[in-house]
Amino acid sequence: GAVVSQHPSWVICKSGTSVKIECRSLDFQATTMFWYRQFPKQSLMLMATSNEGSKATYEQGVEKDKFLINHASLTLSTLTVTSAHPEDSSFYICSAMHLGSGWSNYGYTFGSGTRLTVV
Amino acid sequence: GDSVTQMEGPVTLSEEAFLTINCTYTATGYPSLFWYVQYPGEGLQLLLKATKADDKGSNKGFEATYRKETTSFHLEKGSVQVSDSAVYFCALSASLGNEKLTFGTGTRLTIIP
Repeated sequence: GAVVSQHPSWVICKSGTSVKIECRSLDFQATTMFWYRQFPKQSLMLMATSNEGSKATYEQGVEKDKFLINHASLTLSTLTVTSAHPEDSSFYICSAMHLGSGWSNYGYTFGSGTRLTVV
Repeated sequence: GDSVTQMEGPVTLSEEAFLTINCTYTATGYPSLFWYVQYPGEGLQLLLKATKADDKGSNKGFEATYRKETTSFHLEKGSVQVSDSAVYFCALSASLGNEKLTFGTGTRLTIIP
């Protein structure tokens, strides 16, 4: 089945530094990937949609200069949290869309998530 | 806009009890509906899905039927196990060309032996 690998699974960084999170589709090509943020005991909030070879589409209220998304290939999307601050501490999850046997059977596979703690 | 309203938790049941987690939605057109499960510290796993009205998704003893007339997709299981303890999310994808998922708030389920 479709597998998405997300790294790192957890990271602790100092305030003011940048952190890169990678999301790879291992056995399929992902033209579209999604980045979510999840606060403790809350639902997932979509941050942005990235399409291979083009600029990401950010949701309202998400700072594009702070959360840099790059989708340079069909199997890799990265999220860089720039100049991180303690309020950026959260659980970040990526998701890739795959077509399965066709458009009528499209689905989503999620990475295992990255817990970011900014100190 | 599109939205998903999900039964609030937490829900605590005894092992072998019957489970229902309610989910209703608002969307234009004909959305696809999903249930995802999240175990502690992990990402989301697809539990089941339905892509058109009256479809029934099923997996691991869980079932949900896409009811267009009531705009609902309630999750059910006849006999829960301790290993079913997790957070369950109802979600919809509005249509092709707008594939982002809209999630409900999640329901934390705890099964006690």
